[in-house]
Amino acid sequence: GAGVSQSPSNKVTEKGKDVELRCDPISGHTALYWYRQSLGQGLEFLIYFQGNSAPDKSGLPSDRFSAERTGGSVSTLTIQRTQQEDSAVYLCASSLQGMYEKLFFGSGTQLSVL
Amino acid sequence: AQTVTQSQPEMSVQEAETVTLSCTYDTSESDYYLFWYKQPPSRQMILVIRQEAYKQQNATENRFSVNFQKAAKSFSLKISDSQLGDAAMYFCAYSQGGSEKLVFGKGTKLTVNP
Repeated sequence: GAGVSQSPSNKVTEKGKDVELRCDPISGHTALYWYRQSLGQGLEFLIYFQGNSAPDKSGLPSDRFSAERTGGSVSTLTIQRTQQEDSAVYLCASSLQGMYEKLFFGSGTQLSVL
Repeated sequence: AQTVTQSQPEMSVQEAETVTLSCTYDTSESDYYLFWYKQPPSRQMILVIRQEAYKQQNATENRFSVNFQKAAKSFSLKISDSQLGDAAMYFCAYSQGGSEKLVFGKGTKLTVNP
């Protein structure tokens, strides 16, 4: 596709369930980022991938959060045992090699935990 | 830790007029980058402009320009000849040199009145 694609666009889940959020970066982009945007807040960094490796996962808020990237392309963010405070928009971005080139963002996944 | 502050939660401007959005940041680093991102209702973050801290000259991109005051740690965005399509949330962001992480402010909601 022409841009960064995220799915689902919206996800409603019950507290305690696990969820998987998917990101398809622009083809050929080696750098991939996940951010979280809580209501009325700026974006909060979660994790950065270069290829399939995650040199910086310092933003993951707890061990309930994990992410992987396969084939240097698709990435999945998994939240286990969801809590209400996990409700937010989860945004993915990619760039050709790294942050000092232009970042392209997807439209995010709105996660609502009831 | 680096912080980014946007003191104006909301701003409004008349179409064709000029508006300035404020941003201050706190860092002890000398090598860093500053960004302004636009987020329309589609949620997709779009890079508006970026500034390297080592550059004295203020960055410009068409109708968008910045006033970078390094000593004051201020990085304001000026939008000239405002258009209806400029209406969005605007986020100021900081990145330390060598880091792949962006630190965002909480945003300013810009309304453009016809």
